[in-house]
This record gives sequence, C-alpha cells and structure tokens, in this order.
Amino acid sequence: EAQVTQNPRYLITVTGKKLTVTCSQNMNHEYMSWYRQDPGLGLRQIYYSMNVEVTDKGDVPEGYKVSRKEKRNFPLILESPSPNQTSLYFCASSFDLAGTQYFGPGTRLLVL
Amino acid sequence: QQPVQSPQAVILREGEDAVINCSSSKALYSVHWYRQKHGEAPVFLMILLKGGEQKGHDKISASFNEKKQQSSLYLTASQLSYSGTYFCGTEIPGANNLFFGTGTRLTVIP
Repeated sequence: EAQVTQNPRYLITVTGKKLTVTCSQNMNHEYMSWYRQDPGLGLRQIYYSMNVEVTDKGDVPEGYKVSRKEKRNFPLILESPSPNQTSLYFCASSFDLAGTQYFGPGTRLLVL
Repeated sequence: QQPVQSPQAVILREGEDAVINCSSSKALYSVHWYRQKHGEAPVFLMILLKGGEQKGHDKISASFNEKKQQSSLYLTASQLSYSGTYFCGTEIPGANNLFFGTGTRLTVIP
C-alpha cells in the first residue's frame, strides 16, 4: 500500500530535550515536506526536499533541522524544543512540486 | 505569500451549494485543493494549472483565474461527507514550495 508513515504519532516532551520525528514514504517520491498545523494558521511549511541531499527552508524553519540521506526518509529534528513548537506536524511527499502531495497521519507534539 | 481563503467557515444543509475562494497577492502557476476531515491528514482533491481550466471531482469542481490570481472551489448538492476543512495551496513561479491558506471549515448538516 502506498503510504507516508510518521513516528511517533503522539509525543509529550520537555523544553530542551532533543527529539526526532521520522517520516518515510514507499512511493519513490522525489519531493518531501514538513508542515506544522496550528489553529487559525493553516498549514505552514517548515522544510522541504527536492531530492536526496537537497533541502531548503520553508516558511517557518526556525528551531528545526532536517536531513535527506535516503530518498524514502525525511526526519524532522528539534534540537532544543520549546513550548511554541507545540503543534500538529505533517510530513508529505509527491513526485514533484506540481504533483499530488500525500500526507502522513500526523504527529501531535506537546512541549512542556 | 500565504493565500487568503474565504469564507473562514460555512454551514450548509445537505443539498445546498457552496463556494470557497482562494486569493493570492502573487502571480500563480498552479493551485492545489485539499480537504482535511477532523483528526485526519489532508487529502488531495485537484490541481489547476494556469490557463483558467476548470476541473471536476464528483460534484466538486474548481476554477482558476490566472489574471485575478484567484481560484474558487464549487461544492454542489453538498453531502454530509463533504464536511471538513478545505485548503488551497498555491505554487508561485520560481518557488519550490506550496503556500497553503488558513483553511475554510465546511460543515454540512442534515
């Protein structure tokens, strides 16, 4: 089954404790993105990757890191999480920017 | 560069029609529409490329006016299953990412 998976689905952590949210797709997609969703603000892009080893900042990259060492994986790293990073995070993938984006199930993060 | 969607929310009775608008301050190359049901991930509806083409998906269709930098999503004879939040995503020439609007919450009641 074609899908995008994210782990964990739910996470409660404390300020400053490094964490990684994994994202994996099995559709051989070139393009992958991370979004955060907050009430009233819609979907805002954090980082995107057009291909392996090619990543770039989206609208709200501060406090986040990503890597794209393999085509299928695109982890999101929070080196020192803060409460304002409490949010719902989605990973998405597509063949290219113009293509259908397939979203993962989301990761709900609470930073205390 | 985030597009503006209107209305922010709308409540319909089954069978009624609705229009959701998406407006950008930048020239657009394409507009993408997604629907997100409560507690789920956004799901693709359709993509419109510049040229003013209109696309359809069951009883949901959309238009794209390149000159006005606007797109509209038309939901006809709404069904309960149409409930959710609708997002437009805009692609700007030269950019490598989509900019999503803040969403329109659509509620269909019996």
